[in-house]
Amino acid sequence: AQSVTQLDSQVPVFEEAPVELRCNYSSSVSVYLFWYVQYPNQGLQLLLKYLSGSTLVKGINGFEAEFNKSQTSFHLRKPSVHISDTAEYFCAVSGDSGTYKYIFGTGTRLKVLA
Amino acid sequence: GAGVSQSPSNKVTEKGKDVELRCDPISGHTALYWYRQRLGQGLEFLIYFQGNSAPDKSGLPSDRFSAERTGESVSTLTIQRTQQEDSAVYLCASSPRTGGSQPQHFGDGTRLSIL
Repeated sequence: AQSVTQLDSQVPVFEEAPVELRCNYSSSVSVYLFWYVQYPNQGLQLLLKYLSGSTLVKGINGFEAEFNKSQTSFHLRKPSVHISDTAEYFCAVSGDSGTYKYIFGTGTRLKVLA
Repeated sequence: GAGVSQSPSNKVTEKGKDVELRCDPISGHTALYWYRQRLGQGLEFLIYFQGNSAPDKSGLPSDRFSAERTGESVSTLTIQRTQQEDSAVYLCASSPRTGGSQPQHFGDGTRLSIL
């Protein structure tokens, strides 16, 4: 069975500082990994995805993530955050068999402080 | 082009009433998913459609929940005899094809409140 752990429920950070949001997954099969962002009262927007190939994945809004198979991690990073990055961030995993449904983490609320 | 559209955006109803939530996926997307998001929590998978059939209904919490999809487009999630624990945001997502590598495109959700 697959599972996703986002250890940090909230991350406060000052504007223009770097940030890392952590995601660890558990799976016995090959996985696909995704990061989504959710702004208040909106649906989820895809930030980036890892399917295969290069372990460093770049996404929208200056975000990037690194797939680390040995540590079963897919941490999200941004070198310099803006106030507008304040949102909820979800990590998700899916596989190549069965339903292809996403298994989501519980989310990390990023609060960027002025 | 249009994204995933969900209606209503908000629904308030009394305990015991039935509710119907609608999802219009992106045109041509064959896979459709329903998720539930309780306050302060992640998303729970409810049901998956491939075309008009539902190969996986394992996430439906009880027999009060049902869903259908017609014409490989619109899907409806129905909750009968609503309970207060059904209060949540119900999100619909679609993807062009079936497969774990396919990014899912989400609607803005229906916020359901049971009084």
